Amino acid sequence: NAGVMQNPRHLVRRRGQEARLRCSPMKGHSHVYWYRQLPEEGLKFMVYLQKENIIDESGMPKERFSAEFPKEGPSILRIQQVVRGDSAAYFCASSPTRQETQYFGPGTRLLVL
Amino acid sequence: SQELEQSPQSLIVQEGKNLTINCTSSKTLYGLYWYKQKYGEGLIFLMMLQKGGEEKSHEKITAKLDEKKQQSSLHITASQPSHAGIYLCGADGSGANSKLTFGKGITLSVRP
Repeated sequence: NAGVMQNPRHLVRRRGQEARLRCSPMKGHSHVYWYRQLPEEGLKFMVYLQKENIIDESGMPKERFSAEFPKEGPSILRIQQVVRGDSAAYFCASSPTRQETQYFGPGTRLLVL
Repeated sequence: SQELEQSPQSLIVQEGKNLTINCTSSKTLYGLYWYKQKYGEGLIFLMMLQKGGEEKSHEKITAKLDEKKQQSSLHITASQPSHAGIYLCGADGSGANSKLTFGKGITLSVRP
């Protein structure tokens, strides 16, 4: 059973460009969570999605950030007009149900030049 | 909002030694998770504790939850270089398990 997959593993963008981060949950998992790990800071919750629905986006910045988890395909975290402060490691986690353990992917390391 | 404080911030031990690290919550714990992260990699799930007094072990790692103190400890027996990494505790502060709050992590180094 493959684990949570994220791609790309590393992403370099110039200021003002768009970044698209993809997350494929573990087989049988329909709950996806996105977290961000900034340098020298802990892991911070961003958004929780279930197939086609955003359940909790209380950790998402108000502007430029959006997330989706379509019926088919991976979950996407989209950052528009990236700024240097967006440079971080973005982790995706998945679980089979809301009450069960979240399993994390390897992360996408975003560097904004 | 819930905050998790982990101590010590970092730890260097000689191979073969035992060690204990802690995670203290500012609020009631509904679930406490321990993960391990290698530098530059993802988080590996270690254990989850839900009930006060609960204790779980996996190989040489034992985790305990003290509900009254809102604290969890992770004990490693006879440490090995493979135990090196960053240990993160995460907590479900709402009971809904929709978002976990994490501590800043404890960096463990094991000297051969």
